[in-house]
Amino acid sequence: GEKVEQHESTLSVREGDSAVINCTYTDTASSYFPWYKQEAGKSLHFVIDIRSNVDRKQSQRLIVLLDKKAKRFSLHITATQPEDSAIYFCAASKNNNNNAPRFGAGTKLSVKP
Amino acid sequence: GALVYQYPRRTICKSGTSMRMECQAVGFQATSVAWYRQSPQKTFELIALSTVNSAIKYEQNFTQEKFPISHPNLSFSSMTVLNAYLEDRGLYLCGARLSSQNTLYFGAGTRLSVL
Repeated sequence: GEKVEQHESTLSVREGDSAVINCTYTDTASSYFPWYKQEAGKSLHFVIDIRSNVDRKQSQRLIVLLDKKAKRFSLHITATQPEDSAIYFCAASKNNNNNAPRFGAGTKLSVKP
Repeated sequence: GALVYQYPRRTICKSGTSMRMECQAVGFQATSVAWYRQSPQKTFELIALSTVNSAIKYEQNFTQEKFPISHPNLSFSSMTVLNAYLEDRGLYLCGARLSSQNTLYFGAGTRLSVL
């Protein structure tokens, strides 16, 4: 089955800098890659996703890149703010209703003022 | 917007007893519901995916005998943890989605403690 690895367990940046979180996956059939954010004591909140028909997607300060050859995808948060501090989870799944995403271990992002 | 409610938020049960948790989709029809567990210091493990009109698909290490799931309609799902022991502690999340989308929307979770 699919295994998702999230390379950075913790990441600390200064407010205004960019943060990059990297993930890899193993199943070449995976084609849907969502990102979620978990703030302290809260549940998973959907942030952004990318499908395998594109290699880049941007939503305001968030950019997701996908490299299908390397089976690697990343989340870039630009102009970070203290409220971006949270645990970010990447996930991967096949693009159909019979599959649910598998999650990486999470990256704890701290944005220092 | 899509909302998912989970009940109860927290629960404590005695070792060897069972505990049922519920998941309600509000504002949309949840044709698929995925149940996950986040054990202490771990990531979210997929327990099972339940899709209306299809068999429930359990992941390796999780069985119907231990985690029976009911998904009787497009807005409600429940899962029971049977004979709970210490290793079953954690945050149980349900994620629900529309048939036309891949995105799972998660509830706040049920935190299970076992004494």
